[in-house]
Amino acid sequence: ETGVTQSPTHLIKTRGQQVTLRCSSQSGHNTVSWYQQALGQGPQFIFQYYREEENGRGNFPPRFSGLQFPNYSSELNVNALELDDSALYLCASSPGQANTGELFFGEGSRLTVL
Amino acid sequence: AQSVTQPDIHITVSEGASLELRCNYSYGATPYLFWYVQSPGQGLQLLLKYFSGDTLVQGIKGFEAEFKRSQSSFNLRKPSVHWSDAAEYFCAVGPPFSGSARQLTFGSGTQLTVLP
Repeated sequence: ETGVTQSPTHLIKTRGQQVTLRCSSQSGHNTVSWYQQALGQGPQFIFQYYREEENGRGNFPPRFSGLQFPNYSSELNVNALELDDSALYLCASSPGQANTGELFFGEGSRLTVL
Repeated sequence: AQSVTQPDIHITVSEGASLELRCNYSYGATPYLFWYVQSPGQGLQLLLKYFSGDTLVQGIKGFEAEFKRSQSSFNLRKPSVHWSDAAEYFCAVGPPFSGSARQLTFGSGTQLTVLP
C-alpha cells in the first residue's frame, strides 16, 4: 500500500512568485486536505477536496487555491508569495468524506520565500 | 472558535521514566480528539483517537490517553519512555460528526527529549 507522497520536498521562491505543490493520496483515499505548518507551530487547515470539489476551507486568503484530479491526487497553488508563506505544507488523505477525521499525512513540502 | 492548548513547549525525560503530555481544548461540544507524533523530516503519524465510549484509549507504541470531559482535557501518557519516542507531539480536535470537512485544529506541539 503506497502512502501519501508529496513533491517537491524542498523549494525556494522569492516574494511575489507563484508555487505549485503536489500530492498523491494514499491508495483508496478520495479525500485530500492541505495544512500549513509554520516553524514552531502546529498545522493549520487550509482546505479539503472531495470528489474534485473544495468542501471546506480554513482562514486562508484566495491566493491559496487547489485542485483535485480524477485519480484523487491534488495540487496546492499559492500566488503572490509573501515571506510569511514560508512553512511546511502537509497533505493528508482520508478514506471518504464521511470519515471520523483520521488523516494520513505525507512528509510535506518545505517552502522558503525570500 | 475551537482551540487546543498544549501548555508544555518542551519536556525532557530520562529513558524508562513515565511521561504525561497535557492537552486542553475549547470546543462547543465534545469533539473528536487525536494525538499525532512528528519525527524530524517526517509527516504526522496518528498515535490514538477518541470518539466516544471508554474515556481511556490505547494507541500505538504503548501510548494511552484519557479524556476528561469536566476538565476539557485529553492527556497523553506512556509508562516507560524509549529513546525512539523523542519527537514532537500534537494534540488535535475535529468536528464530532461525519459528513463534513475533516478540519482538524492542532495545538502548537510539545517537543519531547529523551535522555539516555
